[in-house]
Amino acid sequence: AQSVAQPEDQVNVAEGNPLTVKCTYSVSGNPYLFWYVQYPNRGLQFLLKYITGDNLVKGSYGFEAEFNKSQTSFHLKKPSALVSDSALYFCAVRDMTDTDKLIFGTGTRLQVFP
Amino acid sequence: GAGVSQTPSNKVTEKGKYVELRCDPISGHTALYWYRQSLGQGPEFLIYFQGTGAADDSGLPNDRFFAVRPEGSVSTLKIQRTERGDSAVYLCASSLGGTSGYTGELFFGEGSRLTVL
Repeated sequence: AQSVAQPEDQVNVAEGNPLTVKCTYSVSGNPYLFWYVQYPNRGLQFLLKYITGDNLVKGSYGFEAEFNKSQTSFHLKKPSALVSDSALYFCAVRDMTDTDKLIFGTGTRLQVFP
Repeated sequence: GAGVSQTPSNKVTEKGKYVELRCDPISGHTALYWYRQSLGQGPEFLIYFQGTGAADDSGLPNDRFFAVRPEGSVSTLKIQRTERGDSAVYLCASSLGGTSGYTGELFFGEGSRLTVL
């Protein structure tokens, strides 16, 4: 069965500094990988996805993520954090050989300080 | 509407009561998903529909939970004999699942917050 792990409950970063939110995954086949963001009292919003091809994926709001097959990781990154990036971030995986459901991690709260 | 719509946005009920939560997906999306999100947790998969049929209901916690999608569009999640532990935000999502070009992206509604007293 597929799963994802987000080892950090919270990440704190100063505005203007680079940020990284970590995610590792486990699937039996080839993965589809996703990042979603959740603002307070809102639904999840899609940020980016990795399906195939270039290991560096660019998404919304200046975010990007790097797929690393050997480390089974898909870390979310941004070169320069904004206070408005403060939110809850979820990594998710779909096993291409399994059903169409996405399995989500437990989430990482990103706090960007001015 | 343009997005996934869920009603009610908030529901407070008493232990033992019956509850229905409704989801109206994006027009043309064949796949519909229900997730449950408890405070401080990630979304937990409940059930997934492809068209009218439940393609995967492995996440339903017990037989008090049931979902339908009779015409392949709107779905209703039904919870019988509610318990305090059912309190959570119930999220609905839709996608182009099963169609050409589908790559797994889900579009979420804002959720229905259920509180069981």
